[in-house]
Amino acid sequence: DAGITQSPRHKVTETGTPVTLRCHQTENHRYMYWYRQDPGHGLRLIHYSYGVKDTDKGEVSDGYSVSRSKTEDFLLTLESATSSQTSVYFCAIRTGVGHNYGYTFGSGTRLTVV
Amino acid sequence: KQEVTQIPAALSVPEGENLVLNCSFTDSAIYNLQWFRQDPGKGLTSLLLIQSSQREQTSGRLNASLDKSSGRSTLYIAASQPGDSATYLCAVVSGGGADGLTFGKGTHLIIQP
Repeated sequence: DAGITQSPRHKVTETGTPVTLRCHQTENHRYMYWYRQDPGHGLRLIHYSYGVKDTDKGEVSDGYSVSRSKTEDFLLTLESATSSQTSVYFCAIRTGVGHNYGYTFGSGTRLTVV
Repeated sequence: KQEVTQIPAALSVPEGENLVLNCSFTDSAIYNLQWFRQDPGKGLTSLLLIQSSQREQTSGRLNASLDKSSGRSTLYIAASQPGDSATYLCAVVSGGGADGLTFGKGTHLIIQP
């Protein structure tokens, strides 16, 4: 089973503070993703990475930045947290080869901005 | 832009019934379709993955079908059990495939004992 861990699991932060969420994988998968999940909206893609230092924006990237300096770590940063960024954040990795690939998700980080 | 719709949004049935969850997508040029299960407050568990060249996949009491040309997939659950209660999410991979999954909003399923 693909090893993917997210940290922290829960965080409460104040408006205007920077926050960094970490996603760590143990199997050298090339593609990694950050999603947020909100009631009424489902899961939406924030940013993704297709290799070390290679990242791109998703559907809801405003207010977020990412970095991938190592294959195993994909960091999501909220430069100045706002209440609208209160959400559950999921990291995912793409597993498999060729066209036979799927996605495995981490357990999520519940972020509350007060 | 790909859009994924799941019907119904919620479903409550007695234990033992066979049931069908529906998923439709607007752009038929998909690579794969994946069904997930999510329990309250938890992450996503992959149930079934269907490649675009496949018509269906089966795992235990679950069967997922894919009709790419009509933009539809169904998840069939046989002999439902209370432990099947969860939210079921349908997601597709479109375009170049690098930019991940597009999700539906899910079907919230309750199986009454």
